[in-house]
Amino acid sequence: DAGVTQSPTHLIKTRGQQVTLRCSPKSGHDTVSWYQQALGQGPQFIFQYYEEEERQRGNFPDRFSGHQFPNYSSELNVNALLLGDSALYLCASSFLAGQEQFFGPGTRLTVL
Amino acid sequence: DQQVKQNSPSLSVQEGRISILNCDYTNSMFDYFLWYKKYPAEGPTFLISISSIKDKNEDGRFTVFLNKSAKHLSLHIVPSQPGDSAVYFCAAYGDEYNFNKFYFGSGTKLNVKP
Repeated sequence: DAGVTQSPTHLIKTRGQQVTLRCSPKSGHDTVSWYQQALGQGPQFIFQYYEEEERQRGNFPDRFSGHQFPNYSSELNVNALLLGDSALYLCASSFLAGQEQFFGPGTRLTVL
Repeated sequence: DQQVKQNSPSLSVQEGRISILNCDYTNSMFDYFLWYKKYPAEGPTFLISISSIKDKNEDGRFTVFLNKSAKHLSLHIVPSQPGDSAVYFCAAYGDEYNFNKFYFGSGTKLNVKP
């Protein structure tokens, strides 16, 4: 039983570019949440997707957008990248938006 | 506005002794609290949780205590083992307006010395 998978593992972009990160939830899970973890900080909630709709959103600008597909996988898109977007991006899945979240290993994004 | 705080960035403990990790929160509407453990190059893994209606939850070597009046929770690990060395995150979940949002602290790096 595969857990939460994320791709790519590492990514380097330059300022102003756009990036797409991908997440496949744990088998049987239907809810995906995205987090940004800056160096030395805890994960910060970006948004959550359930039934292909954004259900909750944290304090992130509209440059951060997402999508959930019918197979429950999800994408995180960030436009007009800033240096401050450099972070580890974590995806977590759960069933029916429950408290028991399983995290993926993350995608390390570096913006130069 | 950081609603969950872990004021100790690091903690060093001798193997076999007790590790106590602390966490404070500001929102009295939180109704569920969790501890996650994170190794380098891995995502956080769930360790233990507690509902706001309880003041203690125990699972093997791990016990979480909740003091609602002080808005404080702690994780006790007894006895500590070298394999417990990791970053521990406290998280809070669920308030009046943000039912499905998790709020994480900044983490405490635990080092258990053999």
